[in-house]
Amino acid sequence: KNEVEQSPQNLTAQEGEFITINCSYSVGISALHWLQQHPGGGIVSLFMLSSGKKKHGRLIATINIQEKHSSLHITASHPRDSAVYICAVTNFGNEKLTFGTGTRLTIIP
Amino acid sequence: EPEVTQTPSHQVTQMGQEVILRCVPISNHLYFYWYRQILGQKVEFLVSFYNNEISEKSEIFDDQFSVERPDGSNFTLKIRSTKLEDSAMYFCASSDEGNTIYFGEGSWLTVV
Repeated sequence: KNEVEQSPQNLTAQEGEFITINCSYSVGISALHWLQQHPGGGIVSLFMLSSGKKKHGRLIATINIQEKHSSLHITASHPRDSAVYICAVTNFGNEKLTFGTGTRLTIIP
Repeated sequence: EPEVTQTPSHQVTQMGQEVILRCVPISNHLYFYWYRQILGQKVEFLVSFYNNEISEKSEIFDDQFSVERPDGSNFTLKIRSTKLEDSAMYFCASSDEGNTIYFGEGSWLTVV
């Protein structure tokens, strides 16, 4: 069973700050997903990674397979980035997601 | 942007009643899932469905739960006799093999 840990659990920052959220997992994976859960509860997929780095707008996700670690970065953070960011992994042989507990991000204007 | 739609968005039901949560996955997707999130807790896997049958289910998915794809487009989760601890947000999701997973907005179930 894969254990997915995120840090920090809560993060409050000023608008414009560079944000980093970390995720580690215990067992080798086929892919890692970064998801955003907005205040209404809906979940949106941000990235799916199996190696290296991906960038979309102000968001960057990296993964180090050897260290079983991934980071999500947000540059020039904005209040609209306030949400819960969730790391989830898929293991080899099946498609289901195992979720971390999430990081609640609050960006203050 | 393709989307997964879920109904109802919110349902209140009495303990012991049957509940059916409905989902319309993205049309060309092959994998369908139900997840749930109890308030304040992390999202948990319930069941995955592929090729018209359950491919995997969790310990949570006991005999009170069932899934169906009755007409080739809808994907339903039925809880036969709801318990207080079934109160949660239920998410439907779909994906194509190896690709991005798309979630619905969730169905918030409150059992009283």
